[in-house]
Amino acid sequence: AQSVTQPDIHITVSEGASLELRCNYSYGATPYLFWYVQSPGQGLQLLLKYFSGDTLVQGIKGFEAEFKRSQSSFNLRKPSVHWSDAAEYFCAVGGVSNYQLIWGAGTKLIIKP
Amino acid sequence: DTEVTQTPKHLVMGMTNKKSLKCEQHMGHRAMYWYKQKAKKPPELMFVYSYEKLSINESVPSRFSPECPNSSLLNLHLHALQPEDSALYLCASSQPQRRRSYGYTFGSGTRLTVV
Repeated sequence: AQSVTQPDIHITVSEGASLELRCNYSYGATPYLFWYVQSPGQGLQLLLKYFSGDTLVQGIKGFEAEFKRSQSSFNLRKPSVHWSDAAEYFCAVGGVSNYQLIWGAGTKLIIKP
Repeated sequence: DTEVTQTPKHLVMGMTNKKSLKCEQHMGHRAMYWYKQKAKKPPELMFVYSYEKLSINESVPSRFSPECPNSSLLNLHLHALQPEDSALYLCASSQPQRRRSYGYTFGSGTRLTVV
């Protein structure tokens, strides 16, 4: 079955520390992979995406993600978090041939001052 | 213009009311979506329009009625809603199948409360 797993419901990180949010997927076809961020009461903003090519993807706001096919993972990283990064982060996977996005449950990022 | 604009931002309606949510994009995208999002949950797909034609209806109750008047506009007509329909309603757009190389762009949503 197709699925996306974000193992951490919430993560607390000190401001200035590094961050890694985990995402594992199960998808039979060639996946498109996305990370979205959602601030409270707001819509979803695309951080980065992977379709093919270089497995290390750079996104907005200093985020990057690495696609590892052998581990079916697409983890999101940031070297130094800012208080404004506090939000909900969603990983999603979609296929070439359909419109459906399969979403992870989300990880809430809490920043400690 | 790289935005998806949704109006209104907030809506409170009674269970006997009729209201509409509106979504507009000017990115030249030919696929548009309605999602429903409950608190602390990922968004759930409701409808997909591709080239102004309804492509996917995820078994949504008939009290929700989508409409795509043209390639830039998407409406969601609401009638006789229930309190459990209270949620954040998100509109999104993308290139159609096989051309979705830029991902999905979401609007900021309409916060709907049914009383």
